[in-house]
Amino acid sequence: GAVVSQHPSRVICKSGTSVKIECRSLDFQATTMFWYRQFPKQSLMLMATSNEGSKATYEQGVEKDKFLINHASLTLSTLTVTSAHPEDSSFYICSARAETQYFGPGTRLLVL
Amino acid sequence: AQTVTQSQPEMSVQEAETVTLSCTYDTSENNYYLFWYKQPPSRQMILVIRQEAYKQQNATENRFSVNFQKAAKSFSLKISDSQLGDTAMYFCAFMPPGTASKLTFGTGTRLQVTL
Repeated sequence: GAVVSQHPSRVICKSGTSVKIECRSLDFQATTMFWYRQFPKQSLMLMATSNEGSKATYEQGVEKDKFLINHASLTLSTLTVTSAHPEDSSFYICSARAETQYFGPGTRLLVL
Repeated sequence: AQTVTQSQPEMSVQEAETVTLSCTYDTSENNYYLFWYKQPPSRQMILVIRQEAYKQQNATENRFSVNFQKAAKSFSLKISDSQLGDTAMYFCAFMPPGTASKLTFGTGTRLQVTL
């Protein structure tokens, strides 16, 4: 199956700083990628749909200025958590659409 | 809007036995896709099986098979000859057609395979 990578796998940052998470489709091109957030023992919550060459589409309740998404190429989407706070600590997962959605391994973010 | 319901928060099965995980969904679409994803402790989401709604034949992947009942909007997953490595969270998901279509996930079923 198709492979999606995410970097970093885990990150610890201080409150007020910004963190960038990269999502790459390694062996296919993806015009559409998705960003999810997952709290412990819960399901995946879709944050936004990342579209190559255009603005991301955010789900209701997700702050656009807080979670900046850039999809500059057909193989790379980035999520930047700006001015991170402890409540932003979570597990972030991306996926890329081929004939189905393939998921990255996730990024664990801890904001101190 | 579509909804996906998994009514079994936790299940347990002995090694080598068979277990069935339930999933129901609600949609007004006629064409769509259904999936079962597995999330082991590593938290990597792994596609287990996929079903296209227009196909009447139930999808099968080795020890994993589904019982797709379109009229009843039911999509259960059967795991045969359960193995310890099957221990994971299992999510049922719905997706309408289209390249930018979003997945709608159920709340998940935690499956524990025991000796």
